[in-house]
Amino acid sequence: GNSVTQMEGPVTLSEEAFLTINCTYTATGYPSLFWYVQYPGEGLQLLLKATKADDKGSNKGFEATYRKETTSFHLEKGSVQVSDSAVYFCALSVVSGGGADGLTFGKGTHLIIQP
Amino acid sequence: AAGVIQSPRHLIKEKRETATLKCYPIPRHDTVYWYQQGPGQDPQFLISFYEKMQSDKGSIPDRFSAQQFSDYHSELNMSSLELGDSALYFCASSLARGRFSEQYFGPGTRLTVT
Repeated sequence: GNSVTQMEGPVTLSEEAFLTINCTYTATGYPSLFWYVQYPGEGLQLLLKATKADDKGSNKGFEATYRKETTSFHLEKGSVQVSDSAVYFCALSVVSGGGADGLTFGKGTHLIIQP
Repeated sequence: AAGVIQSPRHLIKEKRETATLKCYPIPRHDTVYWYQQGPGQDPQFLISFYEKMQSDKGSIPDRFSAQQFSDYHSELNMSSLELGDSALYFCASSLARGRFSEQYFGPGTRLTVT
């Protein structure tokens, strides 16, 4: 089956620090990969995506590269801000002949940025 | 820009009651997905619909059913509610299914079963 493994938090960093949240996956087909962010009391917002190997998704200073050889999609940001504090979910979607298209999420990483 | 609308935002029910959650996708989106997120958990995929037909089924209990209507809105019907059904229920929509489609999530309905 499909699964996503990501580092569990909480991850606590100081403002302007470098961020890496690791994510690895197992998929039965050729997945598309996503990072979603969830702020307290809110729904999930798509942060970035990549649909094929070596693609780099980027948004709001966040980046992640689809690495097929290591089955990874690590999230990075060069300088975090207090407003980046949230829960980050790595997710994948695989479309097969059976039409499996629901997202499979990792457990989520709670990121806390201190001033 | 228009987003996914879910109603109600909060719902309190007692054990063994029924509940109906509604989802209105982004205009022109033809695919709807339902997810359940327990406290401190990751969202679990329940079921999806494409062009009013069931597209994929995840971990949806037999007590739950869903459908997509001609105007593309969707309803999740939950019967014989249990305490463990207390969770956030998210609806997401996308334009067509497939590996390139992005799912956009609504704000969720918080269901509390007492």
